Amino acid sequence: AQKITQTQPGMFVQEKEAVTLDCTYDTSDPSYGLFWYKQPSSGEMIFLIYQGSYDQQNATEGRYSLNFQKARKSANLVISASQLGDSAMYFCAMREGGTGGFKTIFGAGTRLFVKA
Amino acid sequence: EADIYQTPRYLVIGTGKKITLECSQTMGHDKMYWYQQDPGMELHLIHYSYGVNSTEKGDLSSESTVSRIRTEHFPLTLESARPSHTSQYLCASSAQGSGLSGNTIYFGEGSWLTVV
Repeated sequence: AQKITQTQPGMFVQEKEAVTLDCTYDTSDPSYGLFWYKQPSSGEMIFLIYQGSYDQQNATEGRYSLNFQKARKSANLVISASQLGDSAMYFCAMREGGTGGFKTIFGAGTRLFVKA
Repeated sequence: EADIYQTPRYLVIGTGKKITLECSQTMGHDKMYWYQQDPGMELHLIHYSYGVNSTEKGDLSSESTVSRIRTEHFPLTLESARPSHTSQYLCASSAQGSGLSGNTIYFGEGSWLTVV
């Protein structure tokens, strides 16, 4: 069965510094996708970054990068140069099965606080 | 950018009332989902749909029902609301296909339901 674990309920980071949010996953399917979403206090879910299981390089999107370590089954999100607007909940998610896959499951989330 | 809309955004109703949460997407996505999320907690999949006339229950048991008569529309109904149904309900959709476009799910802004 697929599973997503985020072990950090809350994280603090100083503005302009980098922060790493941890995510480990468990699956027996060789084909899967990993995602990070941001959820501000307003409640909407904002897609940040995607990593496919067969992608050779780590995904990057602006200040976001995904540190994908396949053998360790980890997919940590790195936010560089933190901004006050980065304060939010961050969810790691996984979908198995490639194009046949359907269900995306989410971790418990990490609340990030950016300090001025 | 995703175009997926939920109404109402906020609703307070009395116990025993019937309610329908509306969800529409204009992207022609085949797959649609409903997630339930208590504040600050993880998302739980309660319903999903592969396409028109297809609906399935998710991982979290829910007393709600859904229908998919049109591709763009995926309403969720509670026949008799109870205080335990108080939560945020997030509608989402995704396209058919591989990689980022096929795997990423896009969320609406959520419907906050309070049953008193």
